[in-house]
Amino acid sequence: GAVVSQHPSRVICKSGTSVKIECRSLDFQATTMFWYRQFPKQSLMLMATSNEGSKATYEQGVEKDKFLINHASLTLSTLTVTSAHPEDSSFYICSAVSGGRTDTQYFGPGTRLTVL
Amino acid sequence: GENVEQHPSTLSVQEGDSAVIKCTYSDSASNYFPWYKQELGKGPQLIIDIRSNVGEKKDQRIAVTLNKTAKHFSLHITETQPEDSAVYFCAARGGSSNTGKLIFGQGTTLQVKP
Repeated sequence: GAVVSQHPSRVICKSGTSVKIECRSLDFQATTMFWYRQFPKQSLMLMATSNEGSKATYEQGVEKDKFLINHASLTLSTLTVTSAHPEDSSFYICSAVSGGRTDTQYFGPGTRLTVL
Repeated sequence: GENVEQHPSTLSVQEGDSAVIKCTYSDSASNYFPWYKQELGKGPQLIIDIRSNVGEKKDQRIAVTLNKTAKHFSLHITETQPEDSAVYFCAARGGSSNTGKLIFGQGTTLQVKP
């Protein structure tokens, strides 16, 4: 099946610093990737939709200047949490849509961000 | 926009029994309904999906049924095993969405007791 990886799997940073999370589709090309945030015991909340070569589309209430998304290639999207604060601590998960099937989303393993 | 409700929030069954999780959606134009299994500390894993042109789909011990008239779909797991214990999420893609965006249910924590 389609494999999506994320790096790092876990990151701890100080308040005020920026953190970059990478999402890669390993065995397929992904024209669209999605970024989600998940708080403990809650469902997945879509943050933004990322299309290769174009600007990301952010969901209502998500600050685009705080959560920078870059989708520079068909296999890589990055999420940068700028000036992170403790309330940004969460589980960040990306997903990618396999080329040729526009509705099947394959998820990465997630990145646990802890901001001290 | 689309809204997905999922029930129950927790489900405990004895090993070997069946488990059923139900979801309802609001957008009658929704056309794609995947189910994901999420283990603790991991990303969701697609276990089965169904499109609006069929009413039922089965894959070994897992089946999904779709009732478009009532706008609900269900996940059925037969002969449950302890390794089925996880959080299960249903999702729906709105018919008006051209981005593939999914709307997720609240999740069901399934516990299979040995």
